[in-house]
Amino acid sequence: DIQMTQSPSSLSASGGDRVTITCRASQSISTYINWYQQKPGKAPKLLIYGASSLQSGVPSRFSGSGSGTDFTLTISSLQPEDFATYYCQQSYTIPFTFGQGTKLEIK
Amino acid sequence: QVQLAESGGGLVKPGGSLRLSCAVSGFTFSDYYMSWIRQAPGNGLEWVSSISSSGSTIYYADSVKGRITISRDNAKNSLYLQMNSLRAEDTAIYYCARENVGGSASYWPHWGQGTPVTVSS
Repeated sequence: DIQMTQSPSSLSASGGDRVTITCRASQSISTYINWYQQKPGKAPKLLIYGASSLQSGVPSRFSGSGSGTDFTLTISSLQPEDFATYYCQQSYTIPFTFGQGTKLEIK
Repeated sequence: QVQLAESGGGLVKPGGSLRLSCAVSGFTFSDYYMSWIRQAPGNGLEWVSSISSSGSTIYYADSVKGRITISRDNAKNSLYLQMNSLRAEDTAIYYCARENVGGSASYWPHWGQGTPVTVSS
């Protein structure tokens, strides 16, 4: 199975900050990575697919990059509604696997 | 408007069975792969199973293989997950999700609200 390792596991930041979350795959997955945001008690919400494509309706402050094994999710200017947990997920091969999550908290 | 609504979760004893359902609306169900993803309390997300649009191709996570069966009824716009020989580690919120394919990427843009399954004596 492909292991997806996110860093950091948690992160404290302030409104307006630029934040970067990293995801590393245990083998090359080309650009077959998606990013999700999850708030407590809610289903995950797709932010980025195919490493860098912004899902419809998602604010442009969210962006993704990378290929092969190393990927990043960047939030250019944190807004109050962005404090949540973020997950990467590879769709390169079955079994689809997720990172362990990065909890973004208010500083 | 795409909508997915899970039902059927509940409390079940170890070794017991449960059948989850996911009713969908707002899109042509028979055109899309569908998946089940679960989340144990306080934990991350785990893919469980996927089924092709026709139902002819099915995939399972090793953790559930042999105990869980995914199926669909395209005439009823419904997805199912039959869970047998349930274990404490199957305790989770179970989400159904619709898969999209864009270029060569596949992803889940639409999720239900989840249904909780608790396996406990």
